[in-house]
Amino acid sequence: DAKTTQPNSMESNEEEPVHLPCNHSTISGTDYIHWYRQLPSQGPEYVIHGLTSNVNNRMASLAIAEDRKSSTLILHRATLRDAAVYYCILRARGGADGLTFGKGTHLIIQP
Amino acid sequence: DVKVTQSSRYLVKRTGEKVFLECVQDMDHENMFWYRQDPGLGLRLIYFSYDVKMKEKGDIPEGYSVSREKKERFSLILESASTNQTSMYLCASSLTPADTQYFGPGTRLTVL
Repeated sequence: DAKTTQPNSMESNEEEPVHLPCNHSTISGTDYIHWYRQLPSQGPEYVIHGLTSNVNNRMASLAIAEDRKSSTLILHRATLRDAAVYYCILRARGGADGLTFGKGTHLIIQP
Repeated sequence: DVKVTQSSRYLVKRTGEKVFLECVQDMDHENMFWYRQDPGLGLRLIYFSYDVKMKEKGDIPEGYSVSREKKERFSLILESASTNQTSMYLCASSLTPADTQYFGPGTRLTVL
């Protein structure tokens, strides 16, 4: 899988928007961009994924750059429960391997 | 909602013991996965299964085996536990191999 680069940590205030960046300059045309997060003492959970167009769901939005070399996960109004490690990964279309998580971004939410 | 459960949240075993970690999913998923997660090493795939009685090695299968006798249940076996197998073990399932994976809460295993 192509590599992704994320900041080690970010800090935000409660009830403010959070923009989590991810660089993936070697992404191929068939790679999907997936985001998972892992809350303390829990297993990872799926957040969102996309290919080219921006995506929205009840948890977050995903903004994908036009050249697809970067993307941003947007939490529109962060709560304390959003404090977690966020992982950005690439998955080839039809890829059947397990997930490979890097170090991710540790998101800290201040009350 | 998909539910993936693991038999224990915390487990302490002695070196040389045989250890069974159980995982059950309730969404009729074909695919199940076992990972271990260690600080600084991220998530690493141990074994996965596409169907009952089928298994495939992941990136770090040494020292582990698996069993999938029923669709909903995927077991990870440490034949002779060693201290370097102290880790967080995570089970996941998905509808198709490339689909979203749903994780259990994890089992933190300590081998003394």
